[in-house]
Formats: sequence, C-alpha cells, structure tokens
Amino acid sequence: QSALTQPASVSGSPGQSITISCTGTSSDVGGYKYVSWYQHHPGKAPKLMIYDVSKRPSGVSNRFSGSKSGNTASLSISGLQAEDEADYFCSSYTTTNSFGGGTKLTVL
Amino acid sequence: QVHLVQSGAEVKKPGASVKVSCKASGYTFTDYYIHWVRQAPGQGLEWMGWINPNSGDTDYARNFQGRVTMTSDTSISTAFMELSRLTSDDTAMYYCARVGYYYETKGPFDYWGQGTPVTVSS
Repeated sequence: QSALTQPASVSGSPGQSITISCTGTSSDVGGYKYVSWYQHHPGKAPKLMIYDVSKRPSGVSNRFSGSKSGNTASLSISGLQAEDEADYFCSSYTTTNSFGGGTKLTVL
Repeated sequence: QVHLVQSGAEVKKPGASVKVSCKASGYTFTDYYIHWVRQAPGQGLEWMGWINPNSGDTDYARNFQGRVTMTSDTSISTAFMELSRLTSDDTAMYYCARVGYYYETKGPFDYWGQGTPVTVSS
C-alpha cells in the first residue's frame, strides 16, 4: 500500500492533454511544497520531470506541468506524444520520503 | 554529465545478504546525498534510506532498520547498500538516486541509477 494514491492508469490520444493526480495528506502533499514527479520507461532510470510541486528541471519539455490543491498534487501533460507513454510516479519529500503507486500512461 | 551506474543482477537464497553498488561520476561525489529506493514486482516505490557520502552518516526507513547497511567509498565515488536476512519479499528492483540539492538530506532525486534486480529464491 503506497503512501500516496495515484490512478493505476490513464490514457489519451496524440495531441490531447491528460492529468495524473497524487493524493496524500496534510502531513505530506498538503502541508509542503515538496512534491516531485518522475517518468519511468521500463528498463531505464527514472527521470525527474517536476519538483517543488511545479518547477521543471532544465531540459524537460514545457508540455509537462505540475500543480497542487489541498492534499492532491497533479501532473499535466499537454500535446501528448507517443514518447510520453511511460509510468509516472509522484513523491513527497518532507520528514520522510513517500511515493505514489505509479500511473501507467498509454498514448492511444 | 552525471551518471549513477549500479552493479548487476543478483540471485540470492533466503537468509542470505546482498550488496548493491552505485558508482557516481560527473560530479563531486561527496557533495550530494544518495538515497536507496526499491520497487517490488507490481508494487510502488519504497524508500529505504540515505547516506551522506562524505561523513558516512545514514538514516534508514523503519521497515529496514536492523537489516540494511549503507556505506560509501569516496576513493572510488561509490555508494553501497547491503540488505541481510533476505526473504522472497525482498525480490525487487533496487535503485540509488541522488538528491538534487547540494548537501541536503532530502529533496527531489535528479539522477537515478539504472536499477539492480535482486531475486530471492530457494
């Protein structure tokens, strides 16, 4: 049982936008700005896509954005591309490190 | 560029120990904390703990205290994670990851190793 709750899967067609949610509590997601999102292609190292709720590391496409409302953080991807198909997981890094269970994104 | 390269796949019997390495390059190894995370088949990620490669200070997740030991060898820029008294529940992919903030214990993981699969089977 992961500490943070994510939907198991989402899907979208090329060019569309999708949003992945990550729900925690006021002790983690809701209480701090310390939420990150990772993209994980099977067999490869996970890649940091968003940190501190909404900041993008250098080199990450601006099609990826992050936000938070209450105890739920969200990752949005606009203009879906085939290469976006991957697992995405959220993380909260407060007094401890918590992860979501991961969401499989399928680009139809 | 920054790279974290982990050691290869391991197969162990129940009750044995496993030691996974994580060799860093492209940055000053002692400037950034290393965390270890694992993912069992079909499960989410589980945080195991961190090490300060410079001082050797560690902090382990409660679930692993007494069974995990994290060390570092600054002469070869390598962090190690040893897990003892293995059971089938320890079958997982093990990752090392670097905290993206200079000399901070916690933060986003800006670089990850490629993962080391560990299988525990009799």
